[in-house]
Amino acid sequence: QLQLQESGPGLVKPSETLSLTCTVSGGSISSSSYYWGWIRQPPGKGLEWIGSIYYSGSTYYNPSLKSRVTISVDTSKNQFSLKLSSVTAADTAVYYCARPQRGYDFWSGYGTYYYYMDVWGKGTTVTVSS
Amino acid sequence: SYELTQPPSVSVSPGQTARITCSGDALPKQYAYWYQQKPGQAPVLVIYKDSERPSGIPERFSGSSSGTTVTLTISGVQAEDEADYYCQSADSSGTSGIFGGGTKLTVL
Repeated sequence: QLQLQESGPGLVKPSETLSLTCTVSGGSISSSSYYWGWIRQPPGKGLEWIGSIYYSGSTYYNPSLKSRVTISVDTSKNQFSLKLSSVTAADTAVYYCARPQRGYDFWSGYGTYYYYMDVWGKGTTVTVSS
Repeated sequence: SYELTQPPSVSVSPGQTARITCSGDALPKQYAYWYQQKPGQAPVLVIYKDSERPSGIPERFSGSSSGTTVTLTISGVQAEDEADYYCQSADSSGTSGIFGGGTKLTVL
């Protein structure tokens, strides 16, 4: 059974870089066709998709965060990571790692991609404060 | 990108049927997914590809789609169903996710 676990500092100073790691257990991060992603949730607010990475290294980011986000994979450790630079209080949130399922369905001359998160970590709280 | 709009709250009595809607211009072309989130817990997928139910999710959870609106229906609501529910869709290339603002389901 695939499990994800976030880890990293719970407190980050403004203007610094937030760094989190997600450790994958129960499966290989380099299995083909798998994506790995990050989602966050500010206190009392809704979910925000941050970005994802394909096992081969291709990355996809939320346009609103793209200039500050980097997601990477370390296959030797079965981990993937999130870095968010120049943080402010607005980046205070619970950060979740997750496994997106992505693929393409085609039927009756019409097709569409599917993309959803079927496995989630428990989340880790990050506070941005001096 | 586009937006997904959900009502902030829905209330229902135990045993009744709860319907939570999610509207978005791209929904006729993109699948919708639904997550349940209880306080202090990570979201749990309850519906994928508009109407498919993952294993382990009770049959009382169902999904449907009509035009620009998708609906999560919970039949015979139980107290344990009280939670926040989020709809989610994706962009046309299937490489980024978009979440609705969430709906708080209250079981009276």
